[in-house]
Amino acid sequence: QSVLTQPPSASGTPGQRVTISCSGSSSNIGSNYVHWYQHLPGTAPKLLIYRNNQRPSGVPDRFSGSKSGTSASLAISGLRSEDEADYYCAAWDDSLSGRVFGGGTKLTVL
Amino acid sequence: EVQLLESGGGLVQPGGSLRLSCEASGFSISSYAMSWVRQAPGKGLEWVSGIGGSGSSTYYADSVKGRFTISRDNSKNTLYLQMNSLRAEDTAVYYCAKEYYYDTSASSWFDPWGQGTLVTVSS
Repeated sequence: QSVLTQPPSASGTPGQRVTISCSGSSSNIGSNYVHWYQHLPGTAPKLLIYRNNQRPSGVPDRFSGSKSGTSASLAISGLRSEDEADYYCAAWDDSLSGRVFGGGTKLTVL
Repeated sequence: EVQLLESGGGLVQPGGSLRLSCEASGFSISSYAMSWVRQAPGKGLEWVSGIGGSGSSTYYADSVKGRFTISRDNSKNTLYLQMNSLRAEDTAVYYCAKEYYYDTSASSWFDPWGQGTLVTVSS
């Protein structure tokens, strides 16, 4: 059972916009930044969004993040086949004095 | 190019020990906090441990506290994870990751990550 809650799966067709949610509490998302990672099995996870809504250089602007209260979301617009991957949200948890991840969302491009 | 390369994984019996290494290139780990994150088969990512730039501050997930020890040798630009009293549930791919700040910070994030090394705990 992960501290942060994500839907286990999401899907969309090429060109569509999909949103992945991440729900937490006042001790993590409610009081700290949320970061998002993209992970293709067998490869190194990749930073996608940091500090709720900042994109590292090289990440397309099709990817965007937002946060409100104790929830956050990742939006992917203009869906492409290469976006098919697992997506994880993460935050610091003040109560645990450590980092916590969501359970991950497997994105399928139909 | 900033890179991290993990090594030291393998098959170990329950109750055994293993030491993982993470060699950095393209940057000096002495300027950054570092962390270990693992992924058990079919499961999601789980943060395991973190260490500040000086090595004096360390953090552990409850699941490994008292069994795992994180350390760093800045002169060798290498991060370590000593794993003792290993259990079947420690079976996972272990990734090392560079943090953004010198000290482990609630504001920090992981970038980049290594390719991972597989640890299998089984008799």
